Amino acid sequence: GENVEQHPSTLSVQEGDSAVIKCTYSDSASNYFPWYKQELGKRPQLIIDIRSNVGEKKDQRIAVTLNKTAKHFSLHITETQPEDSAVYFCAASKGSARQLTFGSGTQLTVLP
Amino acid sequence: DVKVTQSSRYLVKRTGEKVFLECVQDMDHENMFWYRQDPGLGLRLIYFSYDVKMKEKGDIPEGYSVSREKKERFSLILESASTNQTSMYLCASSLGYGAEAFFGQGTRLTVV
Repeated sequence: GENVEQHPSTLSVQEGDSAVIKCTYSDSASNYFPWYKQELGKRPQLIIDIRSNVGEKKDQRIAVTLNKTAKHFSLHITETQPEDSAVYFCAASKGSARQLTFGSGTQLTVLP
Repeated sequence: DVKVTQSSRYLVKRTGEKVFLECVQDMDHENMFWYRQDPGLGLRLIYFSYDVKMKEKGDIPEGYSVSREKKERFSLILESASTNQTSMYLCASSLGYGAEAFFGQGTRLTVV
C-alpha cells in the first residue's frame, strides 16, 4: 500500500520567517495530495490541496509544490504568524482509493 | 458546512470492557473512516466504509471492528479494550474517490 513520510517532525521558526515541510510518497499512482492543519485540541482541517496535473498551488501565504518524478511534495508558509503554530499533516491518495494515507505530522512553532 | 460529530470527547474504560465509539455525519457522504492518532505516528487508518453494511480494513484493524447500519452513522467497536488502545480516535467522512476528508472533534479514550 501507500506509504507517506513527512519531515521534519518538529520545526521552530521566528515570526515573519518562512517554514517548509516536506513529504515523500511511495505509490506513483497517487494523484491527490492534501495538507491538514490541526490546532491544539481541535480537529484536523484542510488548508490546501493539489492534484497531480499541476506542479504548484498558492493560497495567500501558503503554497504547495509537487514533484511527480521524485514523488515528493512540500508545504510552504511565508511570513509566519503565531497563529500558524499547529501540527501539519500531509496525505496522499490515488484515484482508485477512497482513503487518504497520512504522514506522521510536523509540529510547527512560530516564536514571537 | 459538513458536520462530523463524535458522541464523546473523553472516555475512560476498564481493561476487558466492550467499548463503542459513535460517529455521525450530516452531508450524505458515502465514505466514513476511523483513524487513530498517536504522537509521532500521525493518523493511522483502522477501518473505513463506503456504503451501508460495507467495511474495509485499514492499516491497523487488529482489536477493532466496525458497524455501519445507516449511511450517516459509523461505529468503532473495541471488543475487549486493552491499555495499548489508549489513544485519540478520529472519525472522518468524504465523498467519492481521492477527496477531502472532514473530521470529527475526536474522542480521547483512556483504558485503565
